[in-house]
Amino acid sequence: EAEVAQSPRYKITEKSQAVAFWCDPISGHATLYWYRQILGQGPELLVQFQDESVVDDSQLPKDRFSAERLKGVDSTLKIQPAELGDSAMYLCASSSPTAVSYNEQFFGPGTRLTVL
Amino acid sequence: AQRVTQPEKLLSVFKGAPVELKCNYSYSGSPELFWYVQYSRQRLQLLLRHISRESIKGFTADLNKGETSFHLKKPFAQEEDSAMYYCALSRRDDKIIFGKGTRLHILP
Repeated sequence: EAEVAQSPRYKITEKSQAVAFWCDPISGHATLYWYRQILGQGPELLVQFQDESVVDDSQLPKDRFSAERLKGVDSTLKIQPAELGDSAMYLCASSSPTAVSYNEQFFGPGTRLTVL
Repeated sequence: AQRVTQPEKLLSVFKGAPVELKCNYSYSGSPELFWYVQYSRQRLQLLLRHISRESIKGFTADLNKGETSFHLKKPFAQEEDSAMYYCALSRRDDKIIFGKGTRLHILP
């Protein structure tokens, strides 16, 4: 069964360093989402792509975060420099709205980031 | 403002007892409501959506527009129901707003 893939699963870094996360959505899914989930909270959208275009990045801290999906397939989320408050789970999801699935989002396993 | 509220962070229920996970929402349009679940060491996954009016793993949820609620219910809890449950609202632009989640703990 097709799944969303993410790597790495865990990342420990020191503050002021750069980190990057990778996501490979389910094949054929045009919409890709990056979420941040702080411990004890629900996922919060950081950025949404439709193919290679950013649809919404209003909640992305653009001074330090960047995201790209150059060929409209896999995507990379980067943080530079990392801050202590960035410690969280970073989730990737993809979707392909159809009459059956109606915007069901399929999630990857997440990358747990710890900033020391 | 669009918001999803799950008032309980933790709900402990004995096996065989009824379960109700509460969810209230605030949205000016006609929302699509979902329940997502995350079992231990597994990824977040869709449990059910209100438009399909289905029962999944014995769970049902009815959208009450008057009370702006979408509570998740199951008549008889099972140990395998222990998980983190998130109520979510989908907007017209395909964005999903998640609640903070309720941890359901089924007691033996």
